[in-house]
Amino acid sequence: SQQGEEDPQALSIQEGENATMNCSYKTSINNLQWYRQNSGRGLVHLILIRSNEREKHSGRLRVTLDTSKKSSSLLITASRAADTASYFCATTGTYKYIFGTGTRLKVLA
Amino acid sequence: DTAVSQTPKYLVTQMGNDKSIKCEQNLGHDTMYWYKQDSKKFLKIMFSYNNKELIINETVPNRFSPKSPDKAHLNLHINSLELGDSAVYFCASSQDDRAEQFFGPGTRLTVL
Repeated sequence: SQQGEEDPQALSIQEGENATMNCSYKTSINNLQWYRQNSGRGLVHLILIRSNEREKHSGRLRVTLDTSKKSSSLLITASRAADTASYFCATTGTYKYIFGTGTRLKVLA
Repeated sequence: DTAVSQTPKYLVTQMGNDKSIKCEQNLGHDTMYWYKQDSKKFLKIMFSYNNKELIINETVPNRFSPKSPDKAHLNLHINSLELGDSAVYFCASSQDDRAEQFFGPGTRLTVL
């Protein structure tokens, strides 16, 4: 299967703590994207990092990319209860986005 | 304004029936997709369309037939529904095949 893998599968933290989730993929990529999915909703794009970039920030989000290890990480700082959701990485190829297995994040108030 | 819309939101039907799901995007994007998300939340691409032309058919059974009457619409017709078709189906669009995708709210299909 080409599907990427994310770990951990599930993560439970207290509000205010940082959350880190990791993504590993199998193929060469154009870019890597992270998405959030709230329960019962569609996915929402969070951040895109190009294959020639190593780190990117957006608000409380920090993404790293290591193409030699075919891995990426998403760090959410100072988490809030509203960050509770599933997070997916996606790698892009030609007209094909391959999504990871997702990390279910629960932030406890 | 809803960027990507899907109808219906819920679909409950008997095995063997034929059903359709409609998708529309008002973002002016060239590329549209159908995904299937199973009960374990795995999201798998089914079809990619660019400018109304089929680009990717990810080994989806022939019972699934997408149709794109214009760039803003990509509908999905499913014949002879099976129990294993039960899932949430998402439509998405993007400006090109590397850009961020915008997802619809999903259609939860339950086959009894």
